[in-house]
Amino acid sequence: AQTVTQSQPEMSVQEAETVTLSCTYDTSESDYYLFWYKQPPSRQMILVIRQEAYKQQNATENRFSVNFQKAAKSFSLKISDSQLGDAAMYFCAYRSYGGSQGNLIFGKGTKLSVKP
Amino acid sequence: NAGVTQTPKFRILKIGQSMTLQCAQDMNHNYMYWYRQDPGMGLKLIYYSVGAGITDKGEVPNGYNVSRSTTEDFPLRLELAAPSQTSVYFCASSYGRGGNNEQFFGPGTRLTVL
Repeated sequence: AQTVTQSQPEMSVQEAETVTLSCTYDTSESDYYLFWYKQPPSRQMILVIRQEAYKQQNATENRFSVNFQKAAKSFSLKISDSQLGDAAMYFCAYRSYGGSQGNLIFGKGTKLSVKP
Repeated sequence: NAGVTQTPKFRILKIGQSMTLQCAQDMNHNYMYWYRQDPGMGLKLIYYSVGAGITDKGEVPNGYNVSRSTTEDFPLRLELAAPSQTSVYFCASSYGRGGNNEQFFGPGTRLTVL
């Protein structure tokens, strides 16, 4: 079974600075997808960024980028130029390429605070 | 499009009571999911459906039932509510099961069982 581990329960960053959130995962599959979701106090789950395991190039979405290390099974999220609106819970998630379910497997999350 | 909608937003139940959490999507998605999120934890899969009339168990199905009579609706039934079912419940949907098919989430239902 696949597992996702986020080892940082809480992180803090100064506004306009850069922060990196860590995620590691365990799988025996060679093809899969990885995601970062943001959950603000409103509870709404918002997709931040996704990475296909077969792509070596790291995904980027505006101020958000990932460092995907397939051999190390590591998938960190870098937030550049942090803004107050980035304060939220961030969840790392895994999804199998095949399989019948298509569900996401989540880590426990990292609570990010942004200081003005 | 309204996306994925859930009702109610909040509910308090007494031990032993039953209730149905409603979920609907207007995106013509085949796949629908129910997750629960316990405090300090990530989301865990309760049940899922790959289309109308087809449902299957996820990781934590005990104490719940689902049905999928239409593409749009995927209600979650709690029978004999227990304090261990206190959680936030999320419904999600996607067109397909592959990773390129984004899962869209509803706003969640916060359920407390006393």
